[in-house]
Amino acid sequence: AQSVTQLDSHVSVSEGTPVLLRCNYSSSYSPSLFWYVQHPNKGLQLLLKYTSAATLVKGINGFEAEFKKSETSFHLTKPSAHMSDAAEYFCVVTHRSNDYKLSFGAGTTVTVRA
Amino acid sequence: DTGVSQDPRHKITKRGQNVTFRCDPISEHNRLYWYRQTLGQGPEFLTYFQNEAQLEKSRLLSDRFSAERPKGSFSTLEIQRTEQGDSAMYLCASSPQTGWTSGSHSGETQYFGPGTRLLVL
Repeated sequence: AQSVTQLDSHVSVSEGTPVLLRCNYSSSYSPSLFWYVQHPNKGLQLLLKYTSAATLVKGINGFEAEFKKSETSFHLTKPSAHMSDAAEYFCVVTHRSNDYKLSFGAGTTVTVRA
Repeated sequence: DTGVSQDPRHKITKRGQNVTFRCDPISEHNRLYWYRQTLGQGPEFLTYFQNEAQLEKSRLLSDRFSAERPKGSFSTLEIQRTEQGDSAMYLCASSPQTGWTSGSHSGETQYFGPGTRLLVL
């Protein structure tokens, strides 16, 4: 069984300040983890992925995430938020044993204040 | 554009009507997945194909839903006798054939289309 829990349904930050989106996962096996972003009326775009290589993963647009097995977490961060970061963010888990079907969290809505 | 495409982008229909959505995956991607996303929720898995073979259907997929991928390229998702509860965003994703390549496992990453937003009145 696999699942993810996104701990914040909504995060509001000021432009130029750090962003932290929290994600905990549950998986019977060593998982593959992803963060996707969805802008309004757009499809899902892959931000970054962890697939058992380096635990600190760098993605697009300045985002990065750290896989912590002991804490079963995969939090997403960005040092300085930009207005264009306002979107819905999804933490996702999968594994070969599940034939790579994705299990999504409920999502975190990020708003960026000018 | 070589990404995943979906058609139509929006569909409004009356309860009881049939609707069909199309997904064109990235060329040479063997895997094709369908997901459904309702308002305020993350996407949920519906079904997927390896080439033309449908490998699994979620329990979310009632008998009114059917999906095909006849030649292993594009796929269609049909909903018969639509209900208001079918209103959602229907997302399609594709991924390359699973397997080990250069020490890493391919096929894990799914690339999504823009989705088809369905509203059943």
